[in-house]
Amino acid sequence: GAGVSQSPSNKVTEKGKDVELRCDPISGHTALYWYRQSLGQGLEFLIYFQGNSAPDKSGLPSDRFSAERTGGSVSTLTIQRTQQEDSAVYLCASSFQTGGLTDTQYFGPGTRLTVL
Amino acid sequence: RKEVEQDPGPFNVPEGATVAFNCTYSNSASQSFFWYRQDCRKEPKLLMSVYSSGNEDGRFTAQLNRASQYISLLIRDSKLSDSATYLCVVNKARGSTLGRLYFGRGTQLTVWP
Repeated sequence: GAGVSQSPSNKVTEKGKDVELRCDPISGHTALYWYRQSLGQGLEFLIYFQGNSAPDKSGLPSDRFSAERTGGSVSTLTIQRTQQEDSAVYLCASSFQTGGLTDTQYFGPGTRLTVL
Repeated sequence: RKEVEQDPGPFNVPEGATVAFNCTYSNSASQSFFWYRQDCRKEPKLLMSVYSSGNEDGRFTAQLNRASQYISLLIRDSKLSDSATYLCVVNKARGSTLGRLYFGRGTQLTVWP
């Protein structure tokens, strides 16, 4: 079946511009996560959506970052007034979630963002 | 203190070697444990879950020590294709955001011919 998809795969933007990154999770997965990974670094948690619950936004690095998940499916991560330090690979993952415990997270291929 | 700590390596081993990775986690209430694998410039993928009794999948063996809050991954008869970064992953259970997973920074393995 189809996995997690992300678009665009690559995005080059100028400092100060806004960008939108899209994630299509696996159908039926109730949980959706955004992470970012800078070159040679580990995964940095950004935000987590679970069903209709309020999202866990504790990982968002600044108020320039926001995310939405519409209809419990597709999610958009928006970065306003991009800065060079925002350059990274942005990864989306989704999973089933039953009994409050997380099942396997399946990752999309990521969006490589470069801010010039 | 970070939720999950791993030795970043790198580990450089010859083909056929046995190599072990260790990981410690800070929250004693964690209930789910995993090893993920990430190839260079690729997304992480689940390698195996870690069960309390320990579990094996072919050349890979995972162990959990709850008392010491310690997880290990053993790879026997290393192959060139095992070269990757191995991520230790735990969840944080009751009393916090259920479902969120915490990733270690990864241990880099290179298997040479």
